Amino acid sequence: DTAVSQTPKYLVTQMGNDKSIKCEQNLGHDTMYWYKQDSKKFLKIMFSYNNKELIINETVPNRFSPKSPDKAHLNLHINSLELGDSAVYFCASSKGSNTEAFFGQGTRLTVV
Amino acid sequence: GENVEQHPSTLSVQEGDSAVIKCTYSDSASNYFPWYKQELGKRPQLIIDIRSNVGEKKDQRIAVTLNKTAKHFSLHITETQPEDSAVYFCAAMNTGNQFYFGTGTSLTVIP
Repeated sequence: DTAVSQTPKYLVTQMGNDKSIKCEQNLGHDTMYWYKQDSKKFLKIMFSYNNKELIINETVPNRFSPKSPDKAHLNLHINSLELGDSAVYFCASSKGSNTEAFFGQGTRLTVV
Repeated sequence: GENVEQHPSTLSVQEGDSAVIKCTYSDSASNYFPWYKQELGKRPQLIIDIRSNVGEKKDQRIAVTLNKTAKHFSLHITETQPEDSAVYFCAAMNTGNQFYFGTGTSLTVIP
């Protein structure tokens, strides 16, 4: 069983479109994350979320919004896509303080 | 927020030699430091971690050291093998349970 799963794996879309990436974890973890990995391989945190609190990295444009229907899911919605949004987006989850993060397989987003 | 710096950005070693990757962090309240290995086209996966109450941890060919006073931590890989070739990331977890990653080190082990 896949612990953290994301869909789709690949996403190609035009500028200006709105798209969503789904993430689900079956580990019973309390905290979920979204990371952006750019072409230089930098892993930048975008959001962290548990059932009590959403923490948004201040550099993330408000076109990006996380939606959590329940503790096992944290979806990423992106409005008005721009060329610079092209990257690999990773979802991750962790049990909490001082425990490792488990990553999904990533979603390669290409904006054309 | 936390700021994690990682060096070197690229590292080439001969098979059998050792590799060392170093990181520094800025937030003295950070207390958990994992290391991830990312192979091409794959997800990052944990290889070793260390908590702030420990100075050193070893797991077979991999070891990590932590100097909390200096806010330094390092990854040591001994007897490197071609399958160790990958991008390695250090990370620091702050009190908000957020992971901040270093900029990555691309390790190449030459057979």
